[in-house]
Amino acid sequence: QVQLVQSEAAVKKPGASVKVSCKASGYIFTNFGIGWVRQAPGQGLEWMGWINADNGNTLYIQRLQGRVTMTTDRSTSTAYMEMRSLRSDDTAVYYCARDGDSSSAGHYWGQGTLVTVSS
Amino acid sequence: QSVLTQPPSVSGTPGQRVTISCSGSRSNIGSNTVNWYQQLPGTPPELLMYSNDQRPSGVPDRFSGSKSGTSASLAISGLQSEDEANYYCATWDGSLNAWVFGGGTKLTVL
Repeated sequence: QVQLVQSEAAVKKPGASVKVSCKASGYIFTNFGIGWVRQAPGQGLEWMGWINADNGNTLYIQRLQGRVTMTTDRSTSTAYMEMRSLRSDDTAVYYCARDGDSSSAGHYWGQGTLVTVSS
Repeated sequence: QSVLTQPPSVSGTPGQRVTISCSGSRSNIGSNTVNWYQQLPGTPPELLMYSNDQRPSGVPDRFSGSKSGTSASLAISGLQSEDEANYYCATWDGSLNAWVFGGGTKLTVL
């Protein structure tokens, strides 16, 4: 069965960087894209961007461009999301989510990684 | 403010039928199919409906989806206490070049 297992929670200071991992299993990694979605405490879902797990092409939402980088390691079937220059309003649970057919978003989700940004 | 508009909350009694609306525009719902996600408290979202009206395996047929023009709806019939959750609609927005979510609807089973 499809599984996405994410890295543990992290606490970072403002201005620091964080890198969240998402290890996939149960399917051919390069056959589906992976999106990243975050959810601030008590808030809704925000799609951050997406990576083609086959060729590494990426797409980021405009307001995060320059601060976020999504990558994959095909040898370990792992996707990564790195965010730089963290601010307090980046405090959120970050989810990776695998596409379905035709790049339909969010068919399978990781368990989430809480990133807390606090001085 | 979310690109897709959902009611913040809906409620119903066990056995009742409720609907959750999701309103967008030509660049998103008007041009693309809609997915729905269910998020139980303290858990990740789960895909509930895709391509407007397709249920993933394991989703009961009490859940149904539809789309017309620039709006979509999720209907839940035979409401059960375990349906109490937050529900989100989402679709691709061709103008923003991004997936967009609704703000979410909290369903309370009275």
